[in-house]
Amino acid sequence: SQTIHQWPATLVQPVGSPLSLECTVEGTSNPNLYWYRQAAGRGLQLLFYSVGIGQISSEVPQNLSASRPQDRQFILSSKKLLLSDSGFYLCASDRGFHEKLFFGSGTQLSVL
Amino acid sequence: KNEVEQSPQNLTAQEGEFITINCSYSVGISALHWLQQHPGGGIVSLFMLSSGKKKHGRLIATINIQEKHSSLHITASHPRDSAVYICAVSNSNSGYALNFGKGTSLLVTP
Repeated sequence: SQTIHQWPATLVQPVGSPLSLECTVEGTSNPNLYWYRQAAGRGLQLLFYSVGIGQISSEVPQNLSASRPQDRQFILSSKKLLLSDSGFYLCASDRGFHEKLFFGSGTQLSVL
Repeated sequence: KNEVEQSPQNLTAQEGEFITINCSYSVGISALHWLQQHPGGGIVSLFMLSSGKKKHGRLIATINIQEKHSSLHITASHPRDSAVYICAVSNSNSGYALNFGKGTSLLVTP
């Protein structure tokens, strides 16, 4: 089965600073990759998904961007963080649409 | 957008009790996921189903497509079952985007 490595586990950043969260996947090739955000008291929201290297789709307009430089690497970035970017970020992968989803352990981001 | 409602929001049970968590959705779907989120935040996929019933250990998931409703049952509950249980749905119109419920927070006491 797939294993997702996500780091860091927690991050405290000042407003206006850059962000880079990294996710790598083991145990599969050519996975679909996802970045989700879970804001306090709210459900998970899909931010970005990727079906292949260099292919990124955004679900919601925002201050964040994503990149997939390698098949099993997915990066979430921001040039200047906003307070509203605070939340719990989860990387996920699957082998195809309607396949079982695997999640990373998440990054708790606090923007102060 | 598919509205996903879970009930109850919070649930406390004694060890050994039979537990049911419900999920209703507003638009026809192609698949429904049940996820488990532990206090540390990590999420595990429990089930993905599009019809009928699935069982894994003490967990059972059912779905009624006509009624747009799914249930997650836990038999002989144990304190280690304490977690947030999340329902999520997808349909062909939503592409890769799952619509998530807000979760049901379950506490099983010894």
